[in-house]
Amino acid sequence: EVQLVESGGGLVQPGGSLRLSCAASGFICSRFQMTWVRQAPGKGLEWVANIKQDGSETYYVDSVKGRFTISRDNAENSLYLQMHSLRAEDTAVYYCARGRWSGASYCFDSWGQGSLVTVSS
Amino acid sequence: DIQLTQSPSFLSAFVGDRVTITCRASQGISNYLAWYQQKPGKAPKLLIYAASTLQSGVPSRFSGSGSGTEFTLTISSLQPEDFASYYCQQVNSFPLTFGGGTKVEIK
Repeated sequence: EVQLVESGGGLVQPGGSLRLSCAASGFICSRFQMTWVRQAPGKGLEWVANIKQDGSETYYVDSVKGRFTISRDNAENSLYLQMHSLRAEDTAVYYCARGRWSGASYCFDSWGQGSLVTVSS
Repeated sequence: DIQLTQSPSFLSAFVGDRVTITCRASQGISNYLAWYQQKPGKAPKLLIYAASTLQSGVPSRFSGSGSGTEFTLTISSLQPEDFASYYCQQVNSFPLTFGGGTKVEIK
């Protein structure tokens, strides 16, 4: 069974840093792209970052470029999101998800339960 | 960036109703579109990918159609467990984007 478990969320002051982790099990992590998606309280879904299987390519939404870094450790079946210079608008539940290519299309077929990040003084 | 506009943002329906949600892209995205269902306090769940392919384990009352800039998600006969929020997502190009969501509630 595919499982994704996020950790590392919490309360942080504006300007602070936080590192989220996502532990993957039930599949060979190195075969899949991975992604982070966030959801601010009462709002919709926002894609944050994506990383290819070997970590060679990463992509970010403009609002986090230069502040967030997505990385992975395939040997540890783990995905990370290092967040710096946090702002109030980064407050959200952060989900990690597995990216799957099916034919010529891409989708997120498995999701973690989410980790809440609150940026407040 | 590709913008996705979902409509309606909210709909109220009876059990057994046929429900259609529309997602319009700001530019052509071929069939690079997925649909997700999200229940309160839970993670999203993949329903449909490649615009019309049903994810394994998803009931056949869900269907997707469309190509280019206009897409639809249809629930042929709404069931109590289908009351949730639904999101479309384009996977044609980065940054990946989601529609604003459609909340389906019981009438």
